[in-house]
Amino acid sequence: GIQVEQSPPDLILQEGANSTLRCNFSDSVNNLQWFHQNPWGQLINLFYIPSGTKQNGRLSATTVATERYSLLYISSSQTTDSGVYFCAVRDDKIIFGKGTRLHILP
Amino acid sequence: GAVVSQHPSRVICKSGTSVKIECRSLDFQATTMFWYRQFPKQSLMLMATSNEGSKATYEQGVEKDKFLINHASLTLSTLTVTSAHPEDSSFYICSARSGGANSPLHFGNGTRLTVT
Repeated sequence: GIQVEQSPPDLILQEGANSTLRCNFSDSVNNLQWFHQNPWGQLINLFYIPSGTKQNGRLSATTVATERYSLLYISSSQTTDSGVYFCAVRDDKIIFGKGTRLHILP
Repeated sequence: GAVVSQHPSRVICKSGTSVKIECRSLDFQATTMFWYRQFPKQSLMLMATSNEGSKATYEQGVEKDKFLINHASLTLSTLTVTSAHPEDSSFYICSARSGGANSPLHFGNGTRLTVT
């Protein structure tokens, strides 16, 4: 089946810093989503982005489907950005990467 | 936007008892819902796909007699953990699509199950 790899696995940044999270997938997919799981376990839908670029405030995402990767950009990080960021792709089923654990220091 | 409500958010039960978790789509109809399990510091693992009006499809390694899924209406799916054991302690999350097969997934807030 399709493989989803996220990098880096862990990231610690100072408040105000920018970051780029990467999601690689091993085969063509029908869709891709980025989620943020906060420290209480809630999964928040960030982007539905099978291709192209989208922006929402300090966050933006780009998916290059032909090269099988997606990037999530976080600018001017805040402590509330801490948590785990997952990408999930859909082949015949929805497959999650292992996530990037982000910790923003005040 | 599409809202998925999951209840309860936390539950503690004794070994051998059963626990029911509800997942509701509040402002859309969901013919298909998904149940995931997440162990600490791990990713979400799909347990089963719940189809309204038919039997659920379970992933390999998931015991269908232990994790009973019922999807009786277009807005409600339930997961019952039967004869729970401490190793069933986990974070269970449901999700639903608000549209067709390639539409975005929306997640409930999860249920943290602790079996003592």
